Amino acid sequence: GAGVSQSPSNKVTEKGKDVELRCDPISGHTALYWYRQRLGQGLEFLIYFQGNSAPDKSGLPSDRFSAERTGESVSTLTIQRTQQEDSAVYLCASSLVWGRVNTEAFFGQGTRLTVV
Amino acid sequence: TQLLEQSPQFLSIQEGENLTVYCNSSSVFSSLQWYRQEPGEGPVLLVTVVTGGEVKKLKRLTFQFGDARKDSSLHITAAQTGDTGLYLCAGANKLSFGAGTTVTVRA
Repeated sequence: GAGVSQSPSNKVTEKGKDVELRCDPISGHTALYWYRQRLGQGLEFLIYFQGNSAPDKSGLPSDRFSAERTGESVSTLTIQRTQQEDSAVYLCASSLVWGRVNTEAFFGQGTRLTVV
Repeated sequence: TQLLEQSPQFLSIQEGENLTVYCNSSSVFSSLQWYRQEPGEGPVLLVTVVTGGEVKKLKRLTFQFGDARKDSSLHITAAQTGDTGLYLCAGANKLSFGAGTTVTVRA
């Protein structure tokens, strides 16, 4: 695709249910990032992938959060047993490579998750 | 973990005024990036600064990277309502972001 695509764009779920958020990066981008953004706040780093490997999982808030990536394509972020504090916009970004000084990250429009 | 602190957190100014936002860290960065995010959208890259002391200009926006590569500033001259948004700095090597500065330019 032309840009980073995230689905769904909006998700309302009941507390305690599991949710799966999807990110389709730009074709050819080896690096993929997930962030959480609460209302009116900055971006909280969750995890990044280099290819399908996730060298840094330190940002995942709890063991209810997990993420996978298939090759150098689609990634899914799964939140188990959702809590109201999980309500936020989840943003995905991709870049050609990770760690280069001039790497530009391209963001999707995010998935707005509301836990009721 | 390389932490980036941005200040101020909020800034509201009249159209035509100038503004400066800051990004500071105790860590040295190989490069810093500035992004702008508008409501309902993902952040979009404005600039990457790489060399200590570097100054880059993008129309009315001036970006500066500190000599020690630990801090950066963004200056907007004669702000316009279209400059309204959340301005974020990021360490490019890990793409870790500061909390951002919300800029509101009033007509």
